[in-house]
Amino acid sequence: QLQESGPGLVKPSETLSLTCIVSGGSISGHSYHWSWIRQPPGKGLEWIGGVFHTGNTESNPSLGSRVTISVDSSKSHFSLDLRSVTVADTAVYYCTRRGILTGRFDPWGQGSLVIVSS
Amino acid sequence: DIQLTQSPSSLSASVGDRVTITCRASQTVSTYLNWYQQKPGEAPELLIHETSKLQSGGPSRFSGSGSGADFTLTISSLQPEDFATYYCQQSYSSPYTFGQGTRVEVK
Repeated sequence: QLQESGPGLVKPSETLSLTCIVSGGSISGHSYHWSWIRQPPGKGLEWIGGVFHTGNTESNPSLGSRVTISVDSSKSHFSLDLRSVTVADTAVYYCTRRGILTGRFDPWGQGSLVIVSS
Repeated sequence: DIQLTQSPSSLSASVGDRVTITCRASQTVSTYLNWYQQKPGEAPELLIHETSKLQSGGPSRFSGSGSGADFTLTISSLQPEDFATYYCQQSYSSPYTFGQGTRVEVK
């Protein structure tokens, strides 16, 4: 199971920070990337990026250098930092697991709504 | 980036209907195409992976087919719990992209 946590309100230009706690399985498995996906209200899904248990990351170039994804295997969680947010970053943020071989996203956390507003 | 275009964007159907949703990729994704179901207020759930493999526990009325750049999700007999939005997703190359979604509504 995956569970997101973090503030629901962030001011423009600040940093959005979320954590995903992984339970019921090891975050150190060699077969998975731990990913973040977001969904603006009423819109579709956008892959943000992911992290391997070694700390190696991959991210969507559309977000440029604003994204940092990290992992803490000892605490079974991984995190997302999105810097310099604007109202366009308002979305439900999901954490999920991506299979290395198949690329499928499963399972998903319940999602965390983050609103960017002053 | 690989663009995925779903059609239709929405459809109205009745319980018992056969429903088909298509997903076209801007370039080949081989068979690395997955389908998700999302109900209002809930996270997406994996339905079909690698084009045609039904996710464990998934109803057998759902099936997927295709290869290369053209894919189809079929619901053989629509049930009340199937009214939702469906997304395709390619896992062929990063960045991993989704279609815009197909909303299945009650007729």
